[in-house]
Amino acid sequence: EAQVTQNPRYLITVTGKKLTVTCSQNMNHEYMSWYRQDPGLGLRQIYYSMNVEVTDKGDVPEGYKVSRKEKRNFPLILESPSPNQTSLYFCASSLERTYEQYFGPGTRLTVT
Amino acid sequence: SQKIEQNSEALNIQEGKTATLTCNYTNYSPAYLQWYRQDPGRGPVFLLLIRENEKEKRKERLKVTFDTTLKQSLFHITASQPADSATYLCALEDSNYQLIWGAGTKLIIKP
Repeated sequence: EAQVTQNPRYLITVTGKKLTVTCSQNMNHEYMSWYRQDPGLGLRQIYYSMNVEVTDKGDVPEGYKVSRKEKRNFPLILESPSPNQTSLYFCASSLERTYEQYFGPGTRLTVT
Repeated sequence: SQKIEQNSEALNIQEGKTATLTCNYTNYSPAYLQWYRQDPGRGPVFLLLIRENEKEKRKERLKVTFDTTLKQSLFHITASQPADSATYLCALEDSNYQLIWGAGTKLIIKP
């Protein structure tokens, strides 16, 4: 089954404790991205990747890191999480940038 | 400033009627626009993509229009059903190749 998976689905952590949210797709997509979604706001892109070893900042990259060492994986790293990073995070992939995006199930992160 | 707007208030529609959702944008010249459906607690699901040279696109009970002069896209669901109740998001690509999203419109179809 074609899908995008994210782990963990739920995470409660404390300020400053490094964490990684994994994202994996099995569709051989070149384009992957991370979004955060907050109430009343649209999805905001954090980082995106056009292909392996090619990543770029989105709209709200501060406090986040990503890597794309393999085509299927695109982990999101929070080196020192802060409460303002409490949000619902989605990973997405698409064949190319302008194509339809496939989203993961989301990761709800709470930073206390 | 650049922005993309969707009705923030929920849209209540009687079952069987046509639901029309609006997506307006300013200061963008997108080559295409996409519509997605999002159910509570889940990731958005792609519905339709319409390009700037297309006036209208259809898929089953769904229809999207794209007016680059008015800077507006309309999303229609005909013969609406309670199962169509969800939040609908529009998205367009800006000049920096980032996908910019509206906050979504919540659609409620009443039996």
